[in-house]
Amino acid sequence: DAKTTQPPSMDCAEGRAANLPCNHSTISGNEYVYWYRQIHSQGPQYIIHGLKNNETNEMASLIITEDRKSSTLILPHATLRDTAVYYCIVRDSGGYQKVTFGIGTKLQVIP
Amino acid sequence: NAGVTQTPKFQVLKTGQSMTLQCAQDMNHNSMYWYRQDPGMGLRLIYYSASEGTTDKGEVPNGYNVSRLNKREFSLRLESAAPSQTSVYFCASTGLRTYEQYFGPGTRLTVT
Repeated sequence: DAKTTQPPSMDCAEGRAANLPCNHSTISGNEYVYWYRQIHSQGPQYIIHGLKNNETNEMASLIITEDRKSSTLILPHATLRDTAVYYCIVRDSGGYQKVTFGIGTKLQVIP
Repeated sequence: NAGVTQTPKFQVLKTGQSMTLQCAQDMNHNSMYWYRQDPGMGLRLIYYSASEGTTDKGEVPNGYNVSRLNKREFSLRLESAAPSQTSVYFCASTGLRTYEQYFGPGTRLTVT
């Protein structure tokens, strides 16, 4: 699986959009980008994933650059409950994978 | 659906004691995983099971054994606990269509 690079921390004002970047310059053609978050000490929670098209669901939007070497997770209207560690993962579409979670980005939403 | 469940939620062991962490999922997933998370660090894969009857080592398998008892259950055993195994342990399984991982609530283990 390709390696990802994320900033260790970010702040966002409540109600504003939070844009979390991820660099995955060694991504290969069959690898997807997945995003998870971990609130306090709970188990990580799946947010969204994509291959090359932008994706949106009820939680967030995922923007993947045309060359697929980076992506941005967008939380359109951040709330205090979005304070969490956000992980960006790349993996291919096989059902079983040695998925590696790095240290992620600690997002602090500020009132 | 309960999703992924783990027992116990908390455990304190003395060095040298053994214990088994239990994990079960009710989503009919094939693949299951055990991770550990230490303070300020990401999740490190201990073992995974691609399907019932198969297991394989992850990044940090030393000191652990696993059993994939059936499709639902995947247990992690510490035969002789060491203080270095103090951690939070998460079990996960992989979705059938889009392969996202679903995580349990974690087991907080302290070895003194």
